Amino acid sequence: SAVISQKPSRDICQRGTSLTIQCQVDSQVTMMFWYRQQPGQSLTLIATANQGSEATYESGFVIDKFPISRPNLTFSTLTVSNMSPEDSSIYLCSVEPFLAREETQYFGPGTRLLVL
Amino acid sequence: GIQVEQSPPDLILQEGANSTLRCNFSDSVNNLQWFHQNPWGQLINLFYIPSGTKQNGRLSATTVATERYSLLYISSSQTTDSGVYFCAVERSFGRGSTLGRLYFGRGTQLTVWP
Repeated sequence: SAVISQKPSRDICQRGTSLTIQCQVDSQVTMMFWYRQQPGQSLTLIATANQGSEATYESGFVIDKFPISRPNLTFSTLTVSNMSPEDSSIYLCSVEPFLAREETQYFGPGTRLLVL
Repeated sequence: GIQVEQSPPDLILQEGANSTLRCNFSDSVNNLQWFHQNPWGQLINLFYIPSGTKQNGRLSATTVATERYSLLYISSSQTTDSGVYFCAVERSFGRGSTLGRLYFGRGTQLTVWP
């Protein structure tokens, strides 16, 4: 398995500002992902964070709004830019460990964001 | 994308009761996971079960890949079992989906009363 931490755990932000969320894993992982969970909804993939290259975004998500970095195999950041109340969600990172016996994905504790 | 449907959407139980949650999916998958999201939002891995049957304490799961469904059984439910149960699948490789992407169902909201 993998132990994943996220910072901050929660935040309240004003519209128009930006917030950077950090995801740290205790071991090297092959794949890292960022998901969004809007209130009362299921999880939707934002992008795959690629080490050493640009992230791969899903339909409906763009780099200008959700820039992502992944400088190494254990760390990634997601920035929510120019926030609006519609960005209020839980943001979760997930990982798929190296050489996993099973291709299980593990999720971080999430970052609860409220935009006023 | 792949469609993932979970039923029932809501379930209310008395402590000690048993329950079955269902997950139907619309295409071949090479990964199926069950998660429990607790009231604090944390997603807890329950099972990795693309096929077959597994048991872990009071929980067990069965996936029949050929018929595209999975079942999660909770026996002797406890108040701590409350939360949302999600089924998530990864499409089989080569079917035009992002590698590793999980498609989530809408979840089953379980409430267990003492």
